[in-house]
Amino acid sequence: EIVLTQSPGTLSLSPGERATLSCRASQSVSSSYLAWYQQKPGQAPRLLIYGASSRATGIPDRFSGSGSGTDFTLTISRLEPEDFAVYYCQQYGSSPGWTFGQGTKVEIK
Amino acid sequence: QITLKESGPTLVKPTQTLTLTCTFSGFSLSTSGVGVGWIRQPPGKALEWLALIYWNDDKRYSPSLKSRLTITKDTSKNQVVLTMTNMDPVDTATYYCAHIPTIFGVVPFDYWGQGTLVTVSS
Repeated sequence: EIVLTQSPGTLSLSPGERATLSCRASQSVSSSYLAWYQQKPGQAPRLLIYGASSRATGIPDRFSGSGSGTDFTLTISRLEPEDFAVYYCQQYGSSPGWTFGQGTKVEIK
Repeated sequence: QITLKESGPTLVKPTQTLTLTCTFSGFSLSTSGVGVGWIRQPPGKALEWLALIYWNDDKRYSPSLKSRLTITKDTSKNQVVLTMTNMDPVDTATYYCAHIPTIFGVVPFDYWGQGTLVTVSS
């Protein structure tokens, strides 16, 4: 089973700053099957990025995804107040199953 | 408009079996490629994928929980049911169901239910 490790655990930044979140896989992941979700307190996760770099419907272009193999990155170009949340990566192309990373919390500095 | 909603008991006793129902609208599980999955999240912790089922009754389970999980679908009722046996306090979590648009594409869970909190306690 593929294990996803996200870093850092917590990112303290100010609105307007750039956020760079990392997701590292224990073995190679097809880029077609790497996703990022945003979760705010008390809410269900929201799909941001799929296929490593494609934005889901309605997601602002300040969110971008990149990477391949075992290293993937979610970048938020300029943090807006509503972007402070927890972010999870997920791989969904391997057998036997899908897995999530442990999450990165982006908090206001 | 796609919506999903989880339902089931809020409290179960240790060793009991949990049965959760996901009732959805806006899509059909008889449409080729479509799927529904279950994910859980213990309080303050990360998401954990549990199981998924596709339109053709193809089922996948988390390896670590496979022996305890069963996922089924009732296409006529637009429902997916997850059962988990031998519940333990560590299974206390919010349980979500989510929509998979197609097994043939690269989009994972694009719509989620609101989640239902299940507490395991005697």
